[in-house]
Amino acid sequence: GQQVMQIPQYQHVQEGEDFTTYCNSSTTLSNIQWYKQRPGGHPVFLIQLVKSGEVKKQKRLTFQFGEAKKNSSLHITATQTTDVGTYFCAGGTSYGKLTFGQGTILTVHP
Amino acid sequence: GAVVSQHPSRVICKSGTSVKIECRSLDFQATTMFWYRQFPKQSLMLMATSNEGSKATYEQGVEKDKFLINHASLTLSTLTVTSAHPEDSSFYICSASLRGQVYEQYFGPGTRLTVT
Repeated sequence: GQQVMQIPQYQHVQEGEDFTTYCNSSTTLSNIQWYKQRPGGHPVFLIQLVKSGEVKKQKRLTFQFGEAKKNSSLHITATQTTDVGTYFCAGGTSYGKLTFGQGTILTVHP
Repeated sequence: GAVVSQHPSRVICKSGTSVKIECRSLDFQATTMFWYRQFPKQSLMLMATSNEGSKATYEQGVEKDKFLINHASLTLSTLTVTSAHPEDSSFYICSASLRGQVYEQYFGPGTRLTVT
């Protein structure tokens, strides 16, 4: 079945440093979605990418979808303590099912 | 908008009993609801996909007779863990989507199940 690998598993940064998490799928995806889960909370939708090579920005967050629609990345510029949490990518199929990556736990030291 | 609630938020039950978890979409009609299980510091594992008015589709390795899913209306899906055992202790999260295709999922706050 479809597998979505995400690295790194953990990332510790100093406040102000940049952060990137990478996602790779074993199969071509219909779309890729990114979610953030704060400690003790539930996943919250961040964004969805659908087109090959698509790049989207949300303030300090930049999301990319690979040309082959099998990989994606999330980059945060100048991290803040409010960025802490686990970031999940999720590969979507044409019928709405999501396969989540393992997640990257981000810690930001002030 | 797009709020999903879950009830209860926490439940402790004895081994051998059954527990029902409710998932409701509060301000939209969810044609599809999904049930996930999450272990501490791990990813979400899809258990089943539930479409209103039809039988749920279970992922490989998930026992449909143990995890009963009912999606009786466009705003409510229930997951019943039957004859619960300690290994069923986990965080169960539901999500709902407006359509089954290329739309984001809205997650409920989750239910922490502890089986003693």
